[in-house]
Formats: sequence, C-alpha cells, structure tokens
Amino acid sequence: ETGVTQSPTHLIKTRGQQVTLRCSSQSGHNTVSWYQQALGQGPQFIFQYYREEENGRGNFPPRFSGLQFPNYSSELNVNALELDDSALYLCASSLRLTTDTQYFGPGTRLTVL
Amino acid sequence: DQQVKQNSPSLSVQEGRISILNCDYTNSMFDYFLWYKKYPAEGPTFLISISSIKDKNEDGRFTVFLNKSAKHLSLHIVPSQPGDSAVYFCAASVQGAQKLVFGQGTRLTINP
Repeated sequence: ETGVTQSPTHLIKTRGQQVTLRCSSQSGHNTVSWYQQALGQGPQFIFQYYREEENGRGNFPPRFSGLQFPNYSSELNVNALELDDSALYLCASSLRLTTDTQYFGPGTRLTVL
Repeated sequence: DQQVKQNSPSLSVQEGRISILNCDYTNSMFDYFLWYKKYPAEGPTFLISISSIKDKNEDGRFTVFLNKSAKHLSLHIVPSQPGDSAVYFCAASVQGAQKLVFGQGTRLTINP
C-alpha cells in the first residue's frame, strides 16, 4: 500500500501569480482533504473532496479551489497569490467519507514573495 | 476562535520517563479526537484516536485519556524514547463531518 505523496516539495511564487499543487492519495481512498499550515500553527482545513465533488469547505476565499480525479489524484489551485498564502500545504486521504482518520502527505512548502 | 488548544508549546522529558501532552477543546459537538506526530519535512502521522463514548484508549506505549466534562484530553507516552522527539498535534472532529480541527502543537524533546 503506497502512502500519500505530494508535489512539488517546495515552490516559490510572486504575489498575484497562480499556483497548482498536486497530491496522490493512498490507493482506494476516495476522500481527500487539503490543509494549510502556517508557521508555528496547526493545520487549518481548506476543503474536502469526495468522489470528485467538493464536500465541505473551511474559511478560505474562492481563489482557493480544487479538483479530484478518478485515479486518486487531486489538485489545489490558488489564484492571485498573497504574501499570507506562504505556508505548508498538506493533503490527507481517508478510506471513506465517514472515516475520520486521515493520512497525510509530506506537504508542499509554498513561499510567496 | 481557537476551538482546540494545546497550551504548552514545548515539553522536555528524560528518556524512559512518562511524557504527558495536554489538549483542551471548547466545542461540545466534537465527538472524535486524534493525536498526530510530525517530524520536520514530513506530514503528520496518525498515532491514536478516541471516540467520545470512551474515556481511555491504549496502543502500546501510547494512551489517550478523554475527560468530556472538562473538555480535556491527554496523550501519555511511556516509556519515552528519543525517537518520540517531534511535534504532537491533537485534533478533533464531529464524526462524519468533513474537517479535523487542530491545536497549535507541542514540541516534545526526549533527552538521553
């Protein structure tokens, strides 16, 4: 059983640009959640996808959007990047929608200059 | 509004002794609680969880205690080992809901 993987590991962008982060869930896990972890803080829920549809969203603006694909991969897209978007972005997969144990990838460190 | 709080940013424990990490929550709707461990440059790793219908769950060296009346949970690690040095996050959810709500984390250092 492979774990959750994310790419790229690190990314540097400038304010106003757009970015796409990628995640590959564990095989068979049809639920993926994305979290933002600012320095010194715990992860904050961005949104969750279940069977390719958004299934819940945290307190993040619409410029944060996502996609989930049938092959257990997913994307997080952020438009009009702001300096405060600099953070570690984590994706987590779980086996079922009702399973609360989520398994995390290593994260993508995004720096916005 | 910080619904899950870990009030100790850091904790230092001698190898072989017990480590106790604490977590408080304010939302009485939470009914499922988890502990994650995070090493640098890695994602959080699931450690142990507990449902609100229990007050204790044990897995090897790790035990989680839940006090619903006090809205408090704790993670006990005994005996502590050097490999336990990491940042520990507690998280809470409403079962079946979409999101985990995390505390700020506690950095545990095990000294030889």
